[in-house]
Amino acid sequence: GQQLNQSPQSMFIQEGEDVSMNCTSSSIFNTWLWYKQDPGEGPVLLIALYKAGELTSNGRLTAQFGITRKDSFLNISASIPSDVGIYFCAGQPLVPGGTSYGKLTFGQGTILTVHP
Amino acid sequence: DAGVIQSPRHEVTEMGQEVTLRCKPISGHDYLFWYRQTMMRGLELLIYFNNNVPIDDSGMPEDRFSAKMPNASFSTLKIQPSEPRDSAVYFCASRGDDSAQAFFGQGTRLTVV
Repeated sequence: GQQLNQSPQSMFIQEGEDVSMNCTSSSIFNTWLWYKQDPGEGPVLLIALYKAGELTSNGRLTAQFGITRKDSFLNISASIPSDVGIYFCAGQPLVPGGTSYGKLTFGQGTILTVHP
Repeated sequence: DAGVIQSPRHEVTEMGQEVTLRCKPISGHDYLFWYRQTMMRGLELLIYFNNNVPIDDSGMPEDRFSAKMPNASFSTLKIQPSEPRDSAVYFCASRGDDSAQAFFGQGTRLTVV
């Protein structure tokens, strides 16, 4: 089945620094999603990407859908303490016939710690 | 909308007991997913439904696990009998037919002792 490799596994940064994390896939995806999970909560959607090459921003967050459809990255600029959490990429594989959406595959997560 | 609602939030049970986890998806969403999260294996898809019909249950670990969706607003995940290795956080998620964006509930933290 599809495999998603997310890196880095963890990051320790100072408040104000920029952060970058990425995901690569062994197969083509037609959708990339980025989620954030706070302790004791479920993952919350941050950004959705639907087209190869697409670059989308949400406040201090920027994500891109790779041209090859096999990768995506998420950048966080000027990090703040509340950015702490686990960030997940998720991809939906290209479904032949294209009319129905299948299941999401998740990366292993990036644990972000921000020191004030 | 209240979002995806899961119950209970926490469950502690003894090995061998039956456990039932419940989920109410967002109204109007056609897809419902059950995930399990552990430190070792991350987020794993167990099963998903489309229009109340199970589509892919290949992630269900073994016959002790079963899931049902009797109507569009309710689903259950049952473990019988439960074992300590089933301890994890179980998430339910739903999405509409016109978007890949899945919305998660707050999860049920299951501890089997």
